[in-house]
Amino acid sequence: DQQVKQNSPSLSVQEGRISILNCDYTNSMFDYFLWYKKYPAEGPTFLISISSIKDKNEDGRFTVFLNKSAKHLSLHIVPSQPGDSAVYFCAASAGETSGSRLTFGEGTQLTVNP
Amino acid sequence: DAMVIQNPRYQVTQFGKPVTLSCSQTLNHNVMYWYQQKSSQAPKLLFHYYDKDFNNEADTPDNFQSRRPNTSFCFLDIRSPGLGDAAMYLCATSGRQGALNYGYTFGSGTRLTVV
Repeated sequence: DQQVKQNSPSLSVQEGRISILNCDYTNSMFDYFLWYKKYPAEGPTFLISISSIKDKNEDGRFTVFLNKSAKHLSLHIVPSQPGDSAVYFCAASAGETSGSRLTFGEGTQLTVNP
Repeated sequence: DAMVIQNPRYQVTQFGKPVTLSCSQTLNHNVMYWYQQKSSQAPKLLFHYYDKDFNNEADTPDNFQSRRPNTSFCFLDIRSPGLGDAAMYLCATSGRQGALNYGYTFGSGTRLTVV
């Protein structure tokens, strides 16, 4: 029972263009969502998050959009850079407090071509 | 720099031979997690400690145990590793500040191979 799904295992974009990574969830109790970035041989690192009371959160080149009715969120990277090439994980939790359990998606491998 | 450190980075163990993976943190975070990630799959939570309170996931096999002797250290013990336990094991922490605004802090992981 995969409660968080990233249906695209991979995505390839040209440098300077927009990258859009998608994530769907099924659990209505999820109210906090995060994106992580993972380089090979390293642990995931936090990228950006969004609470269910918002529908958009922006941090520099990264923007996360949340559509609660569709149980869908997306990560936009504009402009994409070769250094953005990594695996991106979507994660969700029911609650924002320390100790909340994160449920992860399978990840999407983003490749940004120079 | 404050961080989460996992040792070793790579571990090879024999089928059925007990193995221990370690995780240490200098963040003074009160919550520590162990995740298992198999190739092309989502990281799967095995268990977590909230301070000294151990929280096991319902579907975590009994073969997996954990110890947290103090705030800084947490261990994952696999009593009788099977071939299906070969995976990347990720340790993560989250802090007492009360919010997941910055998510978990992960270690670099230990890749376990069972031969």
